[in-house]
Amino acid sequence: QSALTQPASVSGSPGQSITISCTETSSDLDIYKFVSWFQKHPGKAPRLLIYDVIHRPSGVSNRFSGSASGNTASLTISGLQAEDEADYYCSSYTARVTAVFGSGTKVTVL
Amino acid sequence: EVQLVESGGGLVQPGRSLRLSCAASGFNFDDYAMHWVRQVPGKGLEWVSGLSWKSDSVGYADSVKGRFTISRDNAKNSLYLQMNSLRAEDTALYYCARDIHHYVSDASDVWGQGTMVIVSS
Repeated sequence: QSALTQPASVSGSPGQSITISCTETSSDLDIYKFVSWFQKHPGKAPRLLIYDVIHRPSGVSNRFSGSASGNTASLTISGLQAEDEADYYCSSYTARVTAVFGSGTKVTVL
Repeated sequence: EVQLVESGGGLVQPGRSLRLSCAASGFNFDDYAMHWVRQVPGKGLEWVSGLSWKSDSVGYADSVKGRFTISRDNAKNSLYLQMNSLRAEDTALYYCARDIHHYVSDASDVWGQGTMVIVSS
């Protein structure tokens, strides 16, 4: 069982906004400071969308945004598009040099 | 082109060993921490191990601690994962990934396509 819990699935219609939550269940993590988000299409390598809660790597659409409050981080996808249908994972790391992924959320575009 | 290419996967019997390699190109390999991440088909991502740029900081998931060893050769732009005492539950697609930092964090921005490891008798 992951120390980061995500909803199994989230869905939305094209153009809508959806939010995926990531709740830490371990006191080892500082999710309000260190959380990343990844997109994973079947058969493809994961893609980094957000790091350090709110930062987008170069080339990532500003439709993807991150936030955190308390023990929960969130990824919001605005203007949902068909190509956003994928699995999404949050992750965090500890001072003990370990990282952990969330349980994963399947996003369906209706 | 920034690229990571994994190799060394295959079919191996339980209890045996396997060594994965990851060849990096297109960037200064010794500026970045590196990771191994795996995914069982149909399941989620699992972080396996991470190693800092100078190999002075290393971490392992509890599921592989004491059995797997991560290492790197900066002169050869290569990352390795020595996997001993393999179990059926180690069967997965193993990805090599580049951290955005020189220290081990959770943010990897460059990924290989993975190498499949199947542990079965």
